[in-house]
Amino acid sequence: SQQGEEDPQALSIQEGENATMNCSYKTSINNLQWYRQNSGRGLVHLILIRSNEREKHSGRLRVTLDTSKKSSSLLITASRAADTASYFCAPFMKTSYDKVIFGPGTSLSVIP
Amino acid sequence: EPEVTQTPSHQVTQMGQEVILRCVPISNHLYFYWYRQILGQKVEFLVSFYNNEISEKSEIFDDQFSVERPDGSNFTLKIRSTKLEDSAMYFCASSGGRDGYTFGSGTRLTVV
Repeated sequence: SQQGEEDPQALSIQEGENATMNCSYKTSINNLQWYRQNSGRGLVHLILIRSNEREKHSGRLRVTLDTSKKSSSLLITASRAADTASYFCAPFMKTSYDKVIFGPGTSLSVIP
Repeated sequence: EPEVTQTPSHQVTQMGQEVILRCVPISNHLYFYWYRQILGQKVEFLVSFYNNEISEKSEIFDDQFSVERPDGSNFTLKIRSTKLEDSAMYFCASSGGRDGYTFGSGTRLTVV
């Protein structure tokens, strides 16, 4: 497995705005996953996008993947205070059961 | 929705004591993991477990640590002689191999 690098490290927006965070990685992947961690709590799997997919949606989440640029983005639309959390990307080189190497994440603050 | 259950949620132990952290993974998952997060730091991989044996472990997972799946449902992490620096949140996770991990809510271990 490899570590994804999230950018920005911190993001502060008003409730109702959209939040975009980016992830870059170094080598070819089988799939890429996004996770959320609320402060002091467990990690929640948000979405998985496979290397042959370019875009995926889940509710207010939209994930894109550009394998030529080795990058992914997570868009949260119409953000809510409850979206305040840290967000992590996890690139998987071979399989979805490799270990995850977590980076520092993007810390999102949604201000009511 | 299926959950990974961890007990206890908080454990306080004296330095030098043995602790066992318990996890019940999702029943049809085959891959199991332990991660830890020291306060304010990244989530770190400890160990992965498949087919009743360790498939990978990190440098952190030294001889003081062991894992076991004693009865086909529980997955435990044992720390033989706890040190102050073992104080952290410990997360168990399981995977069916296709759709990402499911993490438990964690056990906060405090070594005094």
